[in-house]
Amino acid sequence: GEDVEQSLFLSVREGDSSVINCTYTDSSSTYLYWYKQEPGAGLQLLTYIFSNMDMKQDQRLTVLLNKKDKHLSLRIADTQTGDSAIYFCAESPNYGGSQGNLIFGKGTKLSVKP
Amino acid sequence: GAGVSQSPSNKVTEKGKDVELRCDPISGHTALYWYRQSLGQGLEFLIYFQGNSAPDKSGLPSDRFSAERTGGSVSTLTIQRTQQEDSAVYLCASNRDRRNTEAFFGQGTRLTVV
Repeated sequence: GEDVEQSLFLSVREGDSSVINCTYTDSSSTYLYWYKQEPGAGLQLLTYIFSNMDMKQDQRLTVLLNKKDKHLSLRIADTQTGDSAIYFCAESPNYGGSQGNLIFGKGTKLSVKP
Repeated sequence: GAGVSQSPSNKVTEKGKDVELRCDPISGHTALYWYRQSLGQGLEFLIYFQGNSAPDKSGLPSDRFSAERTGGSVSTLTIQRTQQEDSAVYLCASNRDRRNTEAFFGQGTRLTVV
């Protein structure tokens, strides 16, 4: 079945790099996403990667995709206290050429210590 | 409006009562999703509307849950005979179309069943 797995917690020191990992199950997913949820707020799309890409870089964010292992990671360089949030990995399975619903992991709570 | 709007932002109801949660998607967005986020849990998919197609209701947890989308715009999620386990934040998201890369989320409705 469809399932997205991620570790629940990550703690880093300010200035270090954070790496949040995710595994997904549906190889048909055309897009894979990282969303951020700050306390008391809704979800905000951070970045996404198309399934035919291995890497995508956007300022401090680097997304790596290993399609063979169905593994997705998000690296945040020079992590700041403002990066403290819950990060959700999501996939969008492709049904007959069209995307279906977004399937989310349980989220990784990133804590950044000064 | 500029973003996805959900109302009410908070709802406290007595066990056994019916509740209606409303979502106003971004104008022109044809895809609309409902998710449920329970304390410490990830996002649980509930239902997905895409244009005039039949909705994907595969995530609705029981027949007490239903949703409709009138005129391809506003959506209402109805929970009948609410139970305490229905307490959660209900999130709505919209997307320009089924191939679009970004789903925009509302702030959610926090439902508390007492």
